[in-house]
Amino acid sequence: GAVVSQHPSRVICKSGTSVKIECRSLDFQATTMFWYRQFPKKSLMLMATSNEGSKATYEQGVEKDKFLINHASLTLSTLTVTSAHPEDSSFYICSAGTREYEQYFGPGTRLTVT
Amino acid sequence: QKEVEQNSGPLSVPEGAIASLNCTYSDRGSQSFFWYRQYSGKSPELIMSIYSNGDKEDGRFTAQLNKASQYVSLLIRDSQPSDSATYLCAVIPPMDSSYKLIFGSGTRLLVRP
Repeated sequence: GAVVSQHPSRVICKSGTSVKIECRSLDFQATTMFWYRQFPKKSLMLMATSNEGSKATYEQGVEKDKFLINHASLTLSTLTVTSAHPEDSSFYICSAGTREYEQYFGPGTRLTVT
Repeated sequence: QKEVEQNSGPLSVPEGAIASLNCTYSDRGSQSFFWYRQYSGKSPELIMSIYSNGDKEDGRFTAQLNKASQYVSLLIRDSQPSDSATYLCAVIPPMDSSYKLIFGSGTRLLVRP
């Protein structure tokens, strides 16, 4: 299967700071990337869909000014959590879509805001 | 009505048995179906994709799709304790140009040694 990397795997930051998470498709070009968050023992929640070179489409209830998404190339998308607060602590996972509509997930980033 | 439904489980099977995981979906025109495995604390891993009615086999895994009944299943033969995980069914609904996945809530599988 296709490989998607995510960096960092784990981050601890202070309340009020911003955190950037990178998502890369390593062996294929992904025109569409997706960002999810998941709380413990809960389902995946889609936050936004991003297409290379265009603005991300956010799901209802997701603050676009808080969760900034940039999809600068066919292999890289970034999620920046701005002015993070403890309630933003979660498991953030990206995925990249192939031409066959399959989505391959990155390993995830565990964010803890203190 | 939920768009993609799965029994939350846990489904408990003995080692070596066949585990059968089921999923129903509500959008009749859906064309693309996927099974993911998610271990606790990890991200989902794609196991199977299926697009046509019938069976699709890959190693110990078989996906079955019945569009008339709006039903997709995953069979795991010769289940191993390492198969213990949550299995997520996902569907791309029709007329969705973003190709985003609609996930079921997952079925937890326990394989007893």
